[in-house]
Order: sequence, then C-alpha cells, then structure tokens
Amino acid sequence: KQEVTQIPAALSVPEGENLVLNCSFTDSAIYNLQWFRQDPGKGLTSLLLIQSSQREQTSGRLNASLDKSSGRSTLYIAASQPGDSATYLCAVSGETSGSRLTFGEGTQLTVNP
Amino acid sequence: SAVISQKPSRDICQRGTSLTIQCQVDSQVTMMFWYRQQPGQSLTLIATANQGSEATYESGFVIDKFPISRPNLTFSTLTVSNMSPEDSSIYLCSVRRVNTEAFFGQGTRLTVV
Repeated sequence: KQEVTQIPAALSVPEGENLVLNCSFTDSAIYNLQWFRQDPGKGLTSLLLIQSSQREQTSGRLNASLDKSSGRSTLYIAASQPGDSATYLCAVSGETSGSRLTFGEGTQLTVNP
Repeated sequence: SAVISQKPSRDICQRGTSLTIQCQVDSQVTMMFWYRQQPGQSLTLIATANQGSEATYESGFVIDKFPISRPNLTFSTLTVSNMSPEDSSIYLCSVRRVNTEAFFGQGTRLTVV
C-alpha cells in the first residue's frame, strides 16, 4: 500500500527566503506526482504535475523535482512571499491504483513579513 | 484544465439531518471523486463516481451514509446523511482523467452542531 510522507509538518520562514519542501513515497511504481496548495478552509489548487518520466517541472518561482527510484520529490520555492503562506500537499498516482491519488499530510508554510 | 463549482461553500447543520453537496464541472469527465478532510488532517477518498454506474466506495465509507448521484458527465452530488458532529469536515470533489492532472472544487466546510 502506497504511503506518502511530507517533511517538515510545519515551516516558518522570513520573507525572501528560498525554501524546500519534501515529499517521499514508499512505492516507486507511480504514474505521476502532483503538488497542491491549500488555503485554510478552502479547496486544493494544483501547482505542478510531474510525470514519472520527468525529472522536474517549473512554474514561476516554483520548481518541483522527482527522483522516482528513491521515492522522493521536492518543491523549491524561491524568494518566498507572505502570500505563499498555505498548506502544501503532494499526491501520487500509482500504477496499481488507477486514477486514485494518495496524499501526504501536508506542510504548513508561514512566510513572515 | 477543468473548472469545478462546488456548492454550498459552507454550512452549519443540526445533528440527525442531511446535507447534499453539488459539484459542477465545465467539461465532460468520466470519473469524479469525493474526498473528506477532517480538521488538521489530509484528504481521504470517500468514493469514485462514474456516470451510469454505482459509485465505488472506499473502506470505511458506505452508501447509506454517503449516497452519491452522477446523472451525467458534468455533475455529481454527495449527501452526508444522519449527520453527527464527527462528520464536521471539509468535503471536496475532484476530477481527473486517467494519469493526468487532478482538479478540485473550492470545498464545502461542514459543521454539525
């Protein structure tokens, strides 16, 4: 059974800092991995999708990498801003789970002005 | 991409009553998913709703408690029946074509008193 772990659970940084969020998964047989952002009490906003054949994806100040063989992904946020404060979730789609996503517990990020 | 409209965005309900949550997608999709997010936790899949067939429920979720309708390829409803305070959660609908990006609605924040 796929398990997804995110470290750290919470992170507080000053504005302008570059930071890295980590996601690990136990079963490397995945189709893709997706990073989401969730604001308090709201739905999920898709940030980046990485297919299993890809090593990284970039969108603006965000860069996500994927090392499928070691079961790890990182989300790099450059020059953080207070508006980046949210919970960040990673989710994997497995080869044996069809379209079902398995989510991590999330990293709660606070960027202080 | 897909734009998902979910209603209501929040509600406060009396125990023993039922609430129906609606999810409307701007394009046709085969599979829609319903998730629950309990306070401080990650997402748990309730069921997968396919048009023209019975929903497929995950372990721990039953049709009598969470009946789902899927009358066409752009619409689904989830009913939370005979509610108790333990049902207080955020409920989210999601769409995803096989092995592609997942999109979520804005979520329904339910409080049962």
